[in-house]
Amino acid sequence: AAGVIQSPRHLIKEKRETATLKCYPIPRHDTVYWYQQGPGQDPQFLISFYEKMQSDKGSIPDRFSAQQFSDYHSELNMSSLELGDSALYFCASSPGTSGGTQETQYFGPGTRLLVL
Amino acid sequence: AQKVTQAQTEISVVEKEDVTLDCVYETRDTTYYLFWYKQPPSGELVFLIRRNSFDEQNEISGRYSWNFQKSTSSFNFTITASQVVDSAVYFCALSGTRYSSASKIIFGSGTRLSIRP
Repeated sequence: AAGVIQSPRHLIKEKRETATLKCYPIPRHDTVYWYQQGPGQDPQFLISFYEKMQSDKGSIPDRFSAQQFSDYHSELNMSSLELGDSALYFCASSPGTSGGTQETQYFGPGTRLLVL
Repeated sequence: AQKVTQAQTEISVVEKEDVTLDCVYETRDTTYYLFWYKQPPSGELVFLIRRNSFDEQNEISGRYSWNFQKSTSSFNFTITASQVVDSAVYFCALSGTRYSSASKIIFGSGTRLSIRP
């Protein structure tokens, strides 16, 4: 079965540089979530999109922005990178549903970002 | 506010032993969802189970079983006859309903499980 695709899988950047992470959800999934997992930490919610509109926002720095495109893929843009941004970034997707039930979020393999 | 507590930071057992990972949650929602995810050393997050707040039936899947008790706000995970391949960090997680601002997943701090040969 198709899974969530994230690219790149690994990324090394210098401080103050920018980075763009991409996420391709499972086909027919209309909701995308981004999470950040620091070393030895649990994943922390950053932002989510439903039908190309931002649906929720967590502890995402102002230096970060994200969007979901017409084909439902999403990109997380990170500017003025700091050492503390080094982390594993997960994208998750879930299918559309009616009635307000929460569908399972399926996670991609993650992008490991290292800021030097 | 929603919160998930996994009091066991690390557990180490010998292969073939049974092991239970504890999870306690807090939420004011009447409808909510509980999850367990496995994170092996390779780093990916593997979905194991989802439970909604109206379904307190325990579930068994092979060597895995889950005990959901609303009265104690607990959702414990037991691995029977553990194997070395079960070594991973296990996260218990909680979310609200899809169309609320609580649809994001709140993770516990994780339990690192090591299975010794």
